[in-house]
Amino acid sequence: GAGVSQSPRYKVAKRGQDVALRCDPISGHVSLFWYQQALGQGPEFLTYFQNEAQLDKSGLPSDRFFAERPEGSVSTLKIQRTQQEDSAVYLCASSLTSGGAGEYFGPGTRLTVL
Amino acid sequence: KQEVTQIPAALSVPEGENLVLNCSFTDSAIYNLQWFRQDPGKGLTSLLLIQSSQREQTSGRLNASLDKSSGRSTLYIAASQPGDSATYLCAVRLTGANNLFFGTGTRLTVIP
Repeated sequence: GAGVSQSPRYKVAKRGQDVALRCDPISGHVSLFWYQQALGQGPEFLTYFQNEAQLDKSGLPSDRFFAERPEGSVSTLKIQRTQQEDSAVYLCASSLTSGGAGEYFGPGTRLTVL
Repeated sequence: KQEVTQIPAALSVPEGENLVLNCSFTDSAIYNLQWFRQDPGKGLTSLLLIQSSQREQTSGRLNASLDKSSGRSTLYIAASQPGDSATYLCAVRLTGANNLFFGTGTRLTVIP
């Protein structure tokens, strides 16, 4: 595809359920980022991959959050035992080079936890 | 931790007006600063990127300035149009870091 795609676009989960959010970066892009954007706030960094290596996961808010990019392309963000405070838009971004400049953002997945 | 603040939080102007959006950041050791546009239900679109060694960047009706020493950036939009209505986000990348630190955004409405 021409840009970064994310699926699903909308996800409603009951509190305690596990969810998996998918990101398809632009083909050939080395860097991949996940951000969390709460309502009315700016995006906040969660984690960064360079190819398949997760180089920075300092933004993950708890051990319920897990991300992977096993083949250096598609990435999945998994949230276990979802809580209401996990409700947010989850944005994925990719860039051609390491260092992250020149990111292209996907449309996001809006997660609502009831 | 880098703190990024954007003022005002919301702005409503009549079509044709020139306007300025403000961004301030606490850590001056930045590598670059970007201004993004976010439309409802869509991802972020990069508008302008200013390297730390630069003072301003221009693209069409948009002009962004950077004053690293005072920790400030402004986005100037000339001759605003209804299609400019969106949320504008300022983001900084620190030297040696990969991720961006975002402000909370300014929601702009241009009234026809």
